[in-house]
Amino acid sequence: DTEVTQTPKHLVMGMTNKKSLKCEQHMGHRAMYWYKQKAKKPPELMFVYSYEKLSINESVPSRFSPECPNSSLLNLHLHALQPEDSALYLCASSQDSTVRTDTQYFGPGTRLTVL
Amino acid sequence: SQQGEEDPQALSIQEGENATMNCSYKTSINNLQWYRQNSGRGLVHLILIRSNEREKHSGRLRVTLDTSKKSSSLLITASRAADTASYFCATGVRGYQKVTFGTGTKLQVIP
Repeated sequence: DTEVTQTPKHLVMGMTNKKSLKCEQHMGHRAMYWYKQKAKKPPELMFVYSYEKLSINESVPSRFSPECPNSSLLNLHLHALQPEDSALYLCASSQDSTVRTDTQYFGPGTRLTVL
Repeated sequence: SQQGEEDPQALSIQEGENATMNCSYKTSINNLQWYRQNSGRGLVHLILIRSNEREKHSGRLRVTLDTSKKSSSLLITASRAADTASYFCATGVRGYQKVTFGTGTKLQVIP
């Protein structure tokens, strides 16, 4: 199974709402990632979890809160977002390695709209 | 920033023609990867070339890497309408989980 799943596919939320994005993989990968992608731009890294511990936070605002409950699941909790946070949010996973940078497997993304 | 620059930004070709896109980057890398993204969807990994490799093939794909020029190229031969997508290069640094994506090339293959 080389699939990364993400739910929901689409999300519309107000600036006062609290919502969560979910990501799941069953490939035994120990590194998981959140990316944000604006239209016509490349994905921008937000967070990296390695062995269920946060290893990289790319100076992301605290209104985005990641969580890795176990090695297969990755959540992104959203609170008090701004309209400029509207984007495609992509989850990815890879075999964790400190020796090389591995191939990342991406989910289909969640299209987020903040009103 | 280590972000790669891709050239051209957009490319339109007829089905059956070859498509070449180029990626330049700024710092030393461990490997370089190419990904494809269909409109509004997730990225699909195409090929990975390591810093000690100069050329790699996978089906209709051919990737070259010139570390002295800090550049890579992706050639898609005998293109098909299904190849229509955006293509991104991504660079990785040894011992560091982060990959940095290039600006992307939007390829349109006309049937």
